[in-house]
Amino acid sequence: DGGITQSPKYLFRKEGQNVTLSCEQNLNHDAMYWYRQDPGQGLRLIYYSQIVNDFQKGDIAEGYSVSREKKESFPLTVTSAQKNPTAFYLCASSIDHFGTHSNQPQHFGDGTRLSIL
Amino acid sequence: ILNVEQSPQSLHVQEGDSTNFTCSFPSSNFYALHWYRWETAKSPEALFVMTLNGDEKKKGRISATLNTKEGYSYLYIKGSQPEDSATYLCASHNAGNNRKLIWGLGTSLAVNP
Repeated sequence: DGGITQSPKYLFRKEGQNVTLSCEQNLNHDAMYWYRQDPGQGLRLIYYSQIVNDFQKGDIAEGYSVSREKKESFPLTVTSAQKNPTAFYLCASSIDHFGTHSNQPQHFGDGTRLSIL
Repeated sequence: ILNVEQSPQSLHVQEGDSTNFTCSFPSSNFYALHWYRWETAKSPEALFVMTLNGDEKKKGRISATLNTKEGYSYLYIKGSQPEDSATYLCASHNAGNNRKLIWGLGTSLAVNP
């Protein structure tokens, strides 16, 4: 079945450590997204990618980095510069990023919960 | 700053009741309004993407309407079932958002058997 796979489901980070969250999709979608969810807040966009080898900062990109070397993969690294990384992280994809198919929905993974040790 | 607001924040209904909730969004430079259902321990699932004023969409017992002039959308659930228990999220796409969705906080629905 086509979908988005995020791993791991739970992740713990030590002080000063970088950790990488995996996101893979087999939907052949061009656009991919990383969101962060905190209690009492709506989903906030960290980074998005419209196409392979391209990505753009979202609203809260500081302390995060991404890469898009393959169409199906969009890993997110939470660096030590992110001082408050504890949150639930969701990866999503869509056919394109509000281009020709602007009416298309986003498809989501099951999320990764990141906590500080 | 463009905000999307959803009400009520939470709702408890009995099985068989019909219910509805509201999403308010910026009406200026509007492109599309998205509705998603997010069940606990699962991934958010798209319900509708609506673009035209007066749009009505239906998926089984769930339907939605859109008023782009006044900036609101209603989601209706007819004859609620326990499996409808979830958080219902809406998100607005407006020009000037740097082509991003702005998300509401959601309405949490609990349907008691």
